[in-house]
Amino acid sequence: RKEVEQDPGPFNVPEGATVAFNCTYSNSASQSFFWYRQDCRKEPKLLMSVYSSGNEDGRFTAQLNRASQYISLLIRDSKLSDSATYLCAVTRGRTSGTYKYIFGTGTRLKVLA
Amino acid sequence: DAGVTQSPTHLIKTRGQQVTLRCSPKSGHDTVSWYQQALGQGPQFIFQYYEEEERQRGNFPDRFSGHQFPNYSSELNVNALLLGDSALYLCASSLSGSGANVLTFGAGSRLTVL
Repeated sequence: RKEVEQDPGPFNVPEGATVAFNCTYSNSASQSFFWYRQDCRKEPKLLMSVYSSGNEDGRFTAQLNRASQYISLLIRDSKLSDSATYLCAVTRGRTSGTYKYIFGTGTRLKVLA
Repeated sequence: DAGVTQSPTHLIKTRGQQVTLRCSPKSGHDTVSWYQQALGQGPQFIFQYYEEEERQRGNFPDRFSGHQFPNYSSELNVNALLLGDSALYLCASSLSGSGANVLTFGAGSRLTVL
């Protein structure tokens, strides 16, 4: 079993739709949580950090459920430009001041006109 | 403010050869992590360097080695290349400290092994 698991998709949704992705992690010692966005053949870029209280950035809302060990990302009013792969990442194992980031396989989103 | 820079951007090698990839971290960052990303997969953690030492390592064989220099830049070396080593190699930098700081990725080095 992978330490961080995501549904690979693809999720094909029409413009304007609301779409939600989940990500589960197996190590209860995981400490910090992030969503990254990766466009085709590009590097991952931080979309948002995920906090226990939940956080929102425009059309994007992230939630963390430590008890069930999953994080979620909700995208409202999807745009064509949201088409990308969404990677969740968790950190654990602080060693000498550094953290190890573990990524999921990513969920592909395609927003259709 | 320069981000993470990697070189080369693309390279082609044959089985058994050796390759060295280079990374300069974002200004102000002191920690460098290397990831391997195969097509359709998420980034897989190779190792991480801080204070010129390997601090953490993923499940990669000893053929994968690295180095960090006093200016925080880093190299990834892969010996005895296999076809399965073909992938995008991503370097990510961050700042060490009490909190888990965000990783900033470079554009990657795309390695093809023939």
